[in-house]
Amino acid sequence: LAKTTQPISMDSYEGQEVNITCSHNNIATNDYITWYQQFPSQGPRFIIQGYKTKVTNEVASLFIPADRKSSTLSLPRVSLSDTAVYYCLVGFNTNAGKSTFGDGTTLTVKP
Amino acid sequence: GAGVSQTPSNKVTEKGKYVELRCDPISGHTALYWYRQSLGQGPEFLIYFQGTGAADDSGLPNDRFFAVRPEGSVSTLKIQRTERGDSAVYLCASSSEGHSGGKSTEAFFGQGTRLTVV
Repeated sequence: LAKTTQPISMDSYEGQEVNITCSHNNIATNDYITWYQQFPSQGPRFIIQGYKTKVTNEVASLFIPADRKSSTLSLPRVSLSDTAVYYCLVGFNTNAGKSTFGDGTTLTVKP
Repeated sequence: GAGVSQTPSNKVTEKGKYVELRCDPISGHTALYWYRQSLGQGPEFLIYFQGTGAADDSGLPNDRFFAVRPEGSVSTLKIQRTERGDSAVYLCASSSEGHSGGKSTEAFFGQGTRLTVV
């Protein structure tokens, strides 16, 4: 399984754009990159998934360079409610059957 | 139901006792996962079911842990002779089958069962 590395914590202010980068040097050809968000006392919640280049949905964008050895989750104009732990996963694949979450990035949004 | 349901939400048990944790996945989801999450850490994979069979149980820490999914829907995680170190939040997730070329599918997590062994 590809191991991921991401910052332990980040601080931001309301209205700013936040970019969280994840390194996954050993990503396999068939692996997708998935980001989850987790609030206290809740299970992780899917945010976005991509394979290469750029993916955008209503809550975030995911930038993946050509070598796929890293990815960046971009949260536009964060609010206080975006304070959470963000996990980068590689290989959440029904063939593999399991994923390594790591310890995530704790994002704190301040007023 | 609309989402993954886990019961109970909280469970306190004495050291040495047996516990069962239940997971009701989203209807129609064939893949089901159990994770364990300790305070301040990310979820740790335990076991993965595809249908009724355990496709990967390599994350189970020892033989005190066992999980079943007899009809391919509801799953039960069973822990025998509980130890204080088993205290954690146990998360269940499900996803639909349907992948090609290794495409991952989104997993939906329940709220978890907080197990406390005293």
